[in-house]
Amino acid sequence: DTGVSQNPRHKITKRGQNVTFRCDPISEHNRLYWYRQTLGQGPEFLTYFQNEAQLEKSRLLSDRFSAERPKGSFSTLEIQRTEQGDSAMYLCASSLGGETEAFFGQGTRLTVV
Amino acid sequence: AQKITQTQPGMFVQEKEAVTLDCTYDTSDQSYGLFWYKQPSSGEMIFLIYQGSYDEQNATEGRYSLNFQKARKSANLVISASQLGDSAMYFCGGSNYKLTFGKGTLLTVNP
Repeated sequence: DTGVSQNPRHKITKRGQNVTFRCDPISEHNRLYWYRQTLGQGPEFLTYFQNEAQLEKSRLLSDRFSAERPKGSFSTLEIQRTEQGDSAMYLCASSLGGETEAFFGQGTRLTVV
Repeated sequence: AQKITQTQPGMFVQEKEAVTLDCTYDTSDQSYGLFWYKQPSSGEMIFLIYQGSYDEQNATEGRYSLNFQKARKSANLVISASQLGDSAMYFCGGSNYKLTFGKGTLLTVNP
């Protein structure tokens, strides 16, 4: 399978715990995006990378969120001290450039209890 | 910054009829791309169609076409001959240096 892969698919965690999600993009894609989506809403931009460089992080994100893309390949999104409001679907997408179509993974559904 | 607006929270269409989903965008950039994605109840985001800002012809992909009106800053999606499987959320997206989305339109196709 050469599509975008996200792990885990589902994560249930207790409030206050840290969680980390992984995204493996399509291999030749240099751009990688993270989005958060809640029920009935559109994907909300979190951050994006061009190769290993993180070019922008949404101002809506608190300091509890951090993302990395070492070596410009896979990426991780970490949420520290999770809160119930962090419960959402976290989507990863990759593309060849800024103006080309992005392909999405199946997402990681986070539930904070 | 780019802003994408979808003003139709929900739309209904009869099977086999055509439907238009509205999208307007606001950007000061000269070069950008416009996209439509489908999200069925299973949750995956499926790429449908792309229009570049410099493309003079409207994009088409099978039953999907994008009605691009640059002066009006609109990029409406037209689905011809609707099928029951077209029932889903549809998101319009725009990209200059990053890809952002509107709030979506829930399309319901009635038999």
